[in-house]
Amino acid sequence: AQRVTQPEKLLSVFKGAPVELKCNYSYSGSPELFWYVQYSRQRLQLLLRHISRESIKGFTADLNKGETSFHLKKPFAQEEDSAMYYCALNQAGTALIFGKGTTLSVSS
Amino acid sequence: NAGVTQTPKFQVLKTGQSMTLQCAQDMNHEYMSWYRQDPGMGLRLIHYSVGAGITDQGEVPNGYNVSRSTTEDFPLRLLSAAPSQTSVYFCASSKLILAGGPGGGELFFGEGSRLTVL
Repeated sequence: AQRVTQPEKLLSVFKGAPVELKCNYSYSGSPELFWYVQYSRQRLQLLLRHISRESIKGFTADLNKGETSFHLKKPFAQEEDSAMYYCALNQAGTALIFGKGTTLSVSS
Repeated sequence: NAGVTQTPKFQVLKTGQSMTLQCAQDMNHEYMSWYRQDPGMGLRLIHYSVGAGITDQGEVPNGYNVSRSTTEDFPLRLLSAAPSQTSVYFCASSKLILAGGPGGGELFFGEGSRLTVL
């Protein structure tokens, strides 16, 4: 069955520390994976997609098919990165399956 | 350009009451969907539609009905509300959900509707 697992409910780091939000997936085909972010009092929005291999707001994510992972990383966290982060999998072009989300809290 | 508009933003219902959550988008998106967001459960898909006249069930469809008579609108109906339906509901649309590649997979979300069932 297709599944997205985010093992951490909450990740707390200090400003300037590296951040890694974990995401593992289960999918029988060729996966398309995404990270979405929900800042306080803002709409849920796309952060980045694996196929674009882009860096957005200093965040990157690499698809590792061997480990079935798509972890989100940033070398130096900022307070404005505090938000809820969701990993999502495109389910055969019909829907996005979301993980349970990880709350990132960055404090000074 | 309003994007995805949901109404109402807040609603309190009594058990057994019915109501409709409205969702409209002005981006000419063929794909629309409804999710519910619950603490510790993430976002779970309720129903989705790939175009006018076509709807399908998601992961948690029980207790909800949808219809898609126009491209713009995708209302979600609760026929007999239950406390287990207390949640935040999100409507989302996409132009390219069915396609792979660089443009695919981007959902545009509404602001959410917070529903409490007593």
